[in-house]
Amino acid sequence: AQSVSQHNHHVILSEAASLELGCNYSYGGTVNLFWYVQYPGQHLQLLLKYFSGDPLVKGIKGFEAEFIKSKFSFNLRKPSVQWSDTAEYFCAVILPGTYKYIFGTGTRLKVLA
Amino acid sequence: SQTIHQWPATLVQPVGSPLSLECTVEGTSNPNLYWYRQAAGRGLQLLFYSVGIGQISSEVPQNLSASRPQDRQFILSSKKLLLSDSGFYLCAWSVIGQYQETQYFGPGTRLLVL
Repeated sequence: AQSVSQHNHHVILSEAASLELGCNYSYGGTVNLFWYVQYPGQHLQLLLKYFSGDPLVKGIKGFEAEFIKSKFSFNLRKPSVQWSDTAEYFCAVILPGTYKYIFGTGTRLKVLA
Repeated sequence: SQTIHQWPATLVQPVGSPLSLECTVEGTSNPNLYWYRQAAGRGLQLLFYSVGIGQISSEVPQNLSASRPQDRQFILSSKKLLLSDSGFYLCAWSVIGQYQETQYFGPGTRLLVL
């Protein structure tokens, strides 16, 4: 069965540190990839997405993600985190021709001021 | 602009009682609608999705059911709640016919079954 793995369940960083959250998926064909974020007390919202083209995708608030097909990965990065980035981050894929999103288990990021 | 509403925000129910959670979307027509459950450490689990009135697809066999009586209304129900039904339930919508599209999530309902 298709799955999405986020290996970092909890991450604690100091402000200005660099961030990389891992996301791997298990599906051999073309997929569309997403990162969603849930800030404390807010709705889950889209951070960035990849459908095709340039594998380096830029999203809101300085986040970016790189799609590496050979590694089945879509890692999220930010060069310098802020206290306001404290949130839970979810990676997701959708299989072409379906309406079915598959989400990872999420990564809780805490940024210390 | 489009908005999505869910209610109630929090619900405490005894085991064996019925359940009805409602989700409505405003500002769009013919949306795809989804119900997810978010459990601690387990991410978001897709429960049901709907591409039209009366059309429901179930992803996980369980004692929950869903209905879509109107275009922008999606209801999650149970006849008899189990302890394991506790969790955070999220409704989401997306643009119909474009399955690569972004999903937009509601505020969620936190359900505690005692």
